[in-house]
Amino acid sequence: DAGVIQSPRHEVTEMGQEVTLRCKPISGHNSLFWYRQTMMRGLELLIYFNNNVPIDDSGMPEDRFSAKMPNASFSTLKIQPSEPRDSAVYFCASTVSENSPLHFGNGTRLTVT
Amino acid sequence: KNEVEQSPQNLTAQEGEFITINCSYSVGISALHWLQQHPGGGIVSLFMLSSGKKKHGRLIATINIQEKHSSLHITASHPRDSAVYICAVTDAGGSEKLVFGKGTKLTVNP
Repeated sequence: DAGVIQSPRHEVTEMGQEVTLRCKPISGHNSLFWYRQTMMRGLELLIYFNNNVPIDDSGMPEDRFSAKMPNASFSTLKIQPSEPRDSAVYFCASTVSENSPLHFGNGTRLTVT
Repeated sequence: KNEVEQSPQNLTAQEGEFITINCSYSVGISALHWLQQHPGGGIVSLFMLSSGKKKHGRLIATINIQEKHSSLHITASHPRDSAVYICAVTDAGGSEKLVFGKGTKLTVNP
């Protein structure tokens, strides 16, 4: 089991550019979560999917953020256009079912200059 | 919305000491998670519990539903236990949305 795979590990981009973060959940896991971690706010849920369907996107900060899950093995989080305040570590996590242990990816450290 | 409070924020201990980290929450939950974040940034799920007590090696997690409180204990602490420990809860009612505490940074000195 390769675990949850995120790419890239690090992303440095200029303000105004489009950023796409990718996640491959563990096979057989039905729920996928995107989290953001900053020093100021800690870990926050952005959006989660169940069986590829977005269930709660109330944490998505604004329309510049969008997430998709076209199939059970792939999800993307896109920021367009990016801003310096988007700089953070973005984690993807997956779980088998509600109230099962979470499995986190290694995160993507995004820096927007 | 659930409010999750952890204490202490920072904790320094000597190797071998018994460690306790506390977590309290404000609204009924369906589950509570303890997570460990290593200095390199990776996050590992240690426990998920909704009642009673769970033990894994030197780690013990307890929860008191009536008091809305959980503790994470580390026996015979070791420098490799140095990490940030994060408490998170899912509200009762079917949502899988986790609400996180701010974390407790533990440093265990040799």
